[in-house]
Amino acid sequence: GIQVEQSPPDLILQEGANSTLRCNFSDSVNNLQWFHQNPWGQLINLFYIPSGTKQNGRLSATTVATERYSLLYISSSQTTDSGVYFCAVEERSSGSARQLTFGSGTQLTVLP
Amino acid sequence: NAGVTQTPKFQVLKTGQSMTLQCAQDMNHNSMYWYRQDPGMGLRLIYYSASEGTTDKGEVPNGYNVSRLNKREFSLRLESAAPSQTSVYFCASTILQGWANTGELFFGEGSRLTVL
Repeated sequence: GIQVEQSPPDLILQEGANSTLRCNFSDSVNNLQWFHQNPWGQLINLFYIPSGTKQNGRLSATTVATERYSLLYISSSQTTDSGVYFCAVEERSSGSARQLTFGSGTQLTVLP
Repeated sequence: NAGVTQTPKFQVLKTGQSMTLQCAQDMNHNSMYWYRQDPGMGLRLIYYSASEGTTDKGEVPNGYNVSRLNKREFSLRLESAAPSQTSVYFCASTILQGWANTGELFFGEGSRLTVL
């Protein structure tokens, strides 16, 4: 099946700093999604982004499907951004379509 | 609008006991999923149901059964719980567009299961 690798695994920032999280995947995908898991365990969908660039407030994401990676940008980070960020992809091959494969996540800690 | 609702939120079982995790969504989604999350790992798919009346195995189906009761509800059953099934379980739902194009995934709040 498809491999999804996220980097860095851990990231510690001072409040106000910017950061870039990366997601690499090993095969062609139908779509890609970014999620934030807050410290209470709740999973929130941030972006549905199979290709191109999207922005939502201080967060933006870019997926370059032909080069098999996606980037999540967090600007002017806040303590509420802390948590784990997951990338998930739907493999294009017929055997694995209709299901999302998750990376292991990036643990982000924003210090006040 | 409640979204995706899971019950129970916490459960402690003894090895060999059985239980069912319930999931319901009110967003008129056609596809539903059960994932498990273990410490330091991402989410792994147990089973999914692309539409009412169908279920398929995911990455880690052994030891589990599922039932898509109707369009709204998708349950996960552990017939004989084992300590290796100690985990946090998440239900999710989405609109599946066409044969293969998973839409934006929405998650429940999770169910923390401990098997002693």
